[in-house]
Amino acid sequence: AQSVTQLDSQVPVFEEAPVELRCNYSSSVSVYLFWYVQYPNQGLQLLLKYLSGSTLVESINGFEAEFNKSQTSFHLRKPSVHISDTAEYFCAVSEYNFNKFYFGSGTKLNVKP
Amino acid sequence: EAGVTQFPSHSVIEKGQTVTLRCDPISGHDNLYWYRRVMGKEIKFLLHFVKESKQDESGMPNNRFLAERTGGTYSTLKVQPAELEDSGVYFCASSPGQGLGTGELFFGEGSRLTVL
Repeated sequence: AQSVTQLDSQVPVFEEAPVELRCNYSSSVSVYLFWYVQYPNQGLQLLLKYLSGSTLVESINGFEAEFNKSQTSFHLRKPSVHISDTAEYFCAVSEYNFNKFYFGSGTKLNVKP
Repeated sequence: EAGVTQFPSHSVIEKGQTVTLRCDPISGHDNLYWYRRVMGKEIKFLLHFVKESKQDESGMPNNRFLAERTGGTYSTLKVQPAELEDSGVYFCASSPGQGLGTGELFFGEGSRLTVL
């Protein structure tokens, strides 16, 4: 079985500062990796994903994540955050058939002015 | 195009009562998933439909939970009788059929269930 660990439940950060949200996973098989974001009063939305190819993946709004197989990590980073990035972020893994996804417990990113 | 819709957005019931949650997936999506998040913990898989068939229901907590997807369109999740530990946010998600999707799940806003 797979599991996902997000050690930080909350991350406060000032606007324009860099941020890293950590994600580690455990799996006996190869997996796909995802980051989802949930803005207040909305459903979860896909932020970025790693399926294959380059281990560094980027989103359209400046986030990036790097798949590190040896450390079984998929940390999410942004060099300069905005107030609008305030949301809860979920890391997830899926087996190759996409039949089941395993989510972490979420990290609340609170960007302060 | 309409997204995934869930109803009700919030339900408050007493222990022992019955609640039915409904999910309307994106039109044409064969895959429909139910997930649950309890008290800020991880979002846990409950079950997965492919069209009207249950592909995987290994995450269903017990036989008080019944999910259906008649006709392969909308789905319902019934909890009967509800217990205190059933409180949480129930998410529905959908995705296109196998071979068509890219792994992205499309989520509804969730149904918050409070059992008193």
